[in-house]
Amino acid sequence: DVKVTQSSRYLVKRTGEKVFLECVQDMDHENMFWYRQDPGLGLRLIYFSYDVKMKEKGDIPEGYSVSREKKERFSLILESASTNQTSMYLCASSNPGGPNEKLFFGSGTQLSVL
Amino acid sequence: ILNVEQSPQSLHVQEGDSTNFTCSFPSSNFYALHWYRWETAKSPEALFVMTLNGDEKKKGRISATLNTKEGYSYLYIKGSQPEDSATYLCAPYNNAGNMLTFGGGTRLMVKP
Repeated sequence: DVKVTQSSRYLVKRTGEKVFLECVQDMDHENMFWYRQDPGLGLRLIYFSYDVKMKEKGDIPEGYSVSREKKERFSLILESASTNQTSMYLCASSNPGGPNEKLFFGSGTQLSVL
Repeated sequence: ILNVEQSPQSLHVQEGDSTNFTCSFPSSNFYALHWYRWETAKSPEALFVMTLNGDEKKKGRISATLNTKEGYSYLYIKGSQPEDSATYLCAPYNNAGNMLTFGGGTRLMVKP
């Protein structure tokens, strides 16, 4: 069974902490993505990567960075967590086939920043 | 950022009811339209990927249609069951941004 695994289901952090969200996929996908989901706003793209050591900004990259040292792993980093980063974070991966390639998602990390 | 609208935002139906909801998106530079189902505490899963105007896809009791000229897609559920309760997300792929843009979702709750 193919999988995208996110390291934590729930996470509580304090303002100013550095936070790492980890995502691992076992499908040998080239593309990996980080989204955040807030009520009524849908999924918004934070960062994505089409290859190892490659990263591109999505629609809302401010306050975040990413790391992709290995093909199967894509990490989202909150350099200094703030309360407005409280959200559900979803990782996804896909094949590099373009518009028709469906995304495979992890089950999400609900991050609360106090 | 594309303007993608889904309506209604939420919907309560009785078991056995048929229902439908809408995804509206800009028709220019259209490449594909994805539908995903997201059940609580689970991962979103792809339902359909549609590309051609007039496309109709079906998976069991769920079907979807696509109108690329006017920029909308309908998702239909026939004879809703409690296990259909989920948030349904649509996402057009537009070549202006070369990525999927998700709508806010329609949250469906089916009462037994």
